[in-house]
Amino acid sequence: DQQVKQNSPSLSVQEGRISILNCDYTNSMFDYFLWYKKYPAEGPTFLISISSIKDKNEDGRFTVFLNKSAKHLSLHIVPSQPGDSAVYFCAASLTGNQFYFGTGTSLTVIP
Amino acid sequence: DSGVTQTPKHLITATGQRVTLRCSPRSGDLSVYWYQQSLDQGLQFLIQYYNGEERAKGNILERFSAQQFPDLHSELNLSSLELGDSALYFCASSFRTGSADTQYFGPGTRLTVL
Repeated sequence: DQQVKQNSPSLSVQEGRISILNCDYTNSMFDYFLWYKKYPAEGPTFLISISSIKDKNEDGRFTVFLNKSAKHLSLHIVPSQPGDSAVYFCAASLTGNQFYFGTGTSLTVIP
Repeated sequence: DSGVTQTPKHLITATGQRVTLRCSPRSGDLSVYWYQQSLDQGLQFLIQYYNGEERAKGNILERFSAQQFPDLHSELNLSSLELGDSALYFCASSFRTGSADTQYFGPGTRLTVL
């Protein structure tokens, strides 16, 4: 049972424009949400996170939005750069002991 | 470089065999997590250890087991291997255990079962 879903396997965006990556979850008990970025032949690297008590967290070009009523979160990258091309995983945590990952969205930023 | 090391990088073996994957966490990290990424799948959480003790279990098969040693390195043992066990196995570490504690991932071990 996939508790965290990323329904878009891929996304292409022009350099300088906004990239919006989406994630849906089913378990209302998740208390923390994270985004990871993964380049080929490397492990995922942490990008940004948000607690379930907040609805927005910003770090430079990256902003994560959480809509608890819709059980939806999104990652905005503005402006998108070619180096942002990677696979992005959404993840959710249950009290820090269980982690659930989505299947990833492959972002391509076109120069 | 995350500071987490995993060996071996690649492993090819036959069905029915047993293998051991090794993970060394970042210096100072007490928690180790194991994940499996099969083709077209997200990362599946397998198991977590904190300071030598099992902390949480995810979708880990009974044929799989893990442990964390006093020096905090961890091993994931996979036995009676099946074709479907072919996957990328990632180890991650964090300082503590908690939702807000950043996990640092190793480069993974690619297991191929023939």
